[in-house]
Amino acid sequence: NAGVTQTPKFRVLKTGQSMTLLCAQDMNHEYMYWYRQDPGMGLRLIHYSVGEGTTAKGEVPDGYNVSRLKKQNFLLGLESAAPSQTSVYFCASSFPDGASYEQYFGPGTRLTVT
Amino acid sequence: RKEVEQDPGPFNVPEGATVAFNCTYSNSASQSFFWYRQDCRKEPKLLMSVYSSGNEDGRFTAQLNRASQYISLLIRDSKLSDSATYLCVARFSGGYNKLIFGAGTRLAVHP
Repeated sequence: NAGVTQTPKFRVLKTGQSMTLLCAQDMNHEYMYWYRQDPGMGLRLIHYSVGEGTTAKGEVPDGYNVSRLKKQNFLLGLESAAPSQTSVYFCASSFPDGASYEQYFGPGTRLTVT
Repeated sequence: RKEVEQDPGPFNVPEGATVAFNCTYSNSASQSFFWYRQDCRKEPKLLMSVYSSGNEDGRFTAQLNRASQYISLLIRDSKLSDSATYLCVARFSGGYNKLIFGAGTRLAVHP
């Protein structure tokens, strides 16, 4: 049982390049989330998904897109990277409201945009 | 104003000390609260839930005061392994298990 995994662990992009971050979970969770974490700030929600084929915007969605084609995977895309997107990105998953509220996090992806 | 505010620290304490962290939240619609622990360059992990009646897990005690919109975490007999950042988290209803994270309080326990 690997829990939540993320690939890649590190990445350096040039401004304007694109990339996709992959999140996978093997806990059969319905809900999945993408957060970014910046120094001095709490984790901020980028996008989330409450089930396969559904996604929604979080607090800071601009510049990102997501897809949830399979229940176990949640992809985060940066179409045209900007230095302001330099951050640590965490994926998380959980059971639905009313069950256990704990969110389980992946190990993170450290992204630098130059 | 941030929805969940914490003193960033760092709190530097010797082994064996008792240390307390505080957190305030601004949205009274918050339904439940948690403390997460985050080690350096690692992911956050749930430490404990916070109940109005207070709850204890070994050396850790969490307390919620809804009237004052205030949450606390007390760590007794600090260990070196307690060194980490502690995140105060508020949960809201709304269909997707929405969590709002504080920026965290850093604890450094020294010998």
